[in-house]
Amino acid sequence: AQSVTQPDIHITVSEGASLELRCNYSYGATPYLFWYVQSPGQGLQLLLKYFSGDTLVQGIKGFEAEFKRSQSSFNLRKPSVHWSDAAEYFCAVGAMGGGNKLTFGTGTQLKVEL
Amino acid sequence: GAVVSQHPSRVICKSGTSVKIECRSLDFQATTMFWYRQFPKQSLMLMATSNEGSKATYEQGVEKDKFLINHASLTLSTLTVTSAHPEDSSFYICSATASGGYNEQFFGPGTRLTVL
Repeated sequence: AQSVTQPDIHITVSEGASLELRCNYSYGATPYLFWYVQSPGQGLQLLLKYFSGDTLVQGIKGFEAEFKRSQSSFNLRKPSVHWSDAAEYFCAVGAMGGGNKLTFGTGTQLKVEL
Repeated sequence: GAVVSQHPSRVICKSGTSVKIECRSLDFQATTMFWYRQFPKQSLMLMATSNEGSKATYEQGVEKDKFLINHASLTLSTLTVTSAHPEDSSFYICSATASGGYNEQFFGPGTRLTVL
């Protein structure tokens, strides 16, 4: 069974600073990887996804993530954070043959200081 | 495109009553829909997977008689919380995916259920 670990429960950054949110996964084959963002009381919005191909994936809102198979990681990055990026971020893993099921990490709460 | 709606967005009910939550895919046919439950400041926990025209598949520990799921059409799935109790209070989120291969899940905005 697949699993996802997001080691950082809370992260605080200053507006304009760079950001990296960590995600490690466990899965026997090549996983499908996702990053979602959730604002309070809202559903999830997809930031980016990795299925195959180029391991550096560009997403919406200036986010990118890099798939590193050797480290079983899929960290999310943004070079310059905006105050509106404050939200909860979830990493998720899916698997072919898994019925499109997703397993979510526990989330990282991002706070942006002005 | 790929919009999923949920109704209602918020519902408050008395203990012992039943509540129905609707999940609709507005601009695509969703062969599979998923129902998640999210407690405050926690991650999403998959409750069940429903395929159009079939019985839902429930995750371990989820009471299928309490959480009734119907996926009667390619654009609508419903979750009914029967005989709701305060411990059922939570944020319920649905998602939908189209057919063919591995497909991205599109999430609804969620429904906040409060049982008094």
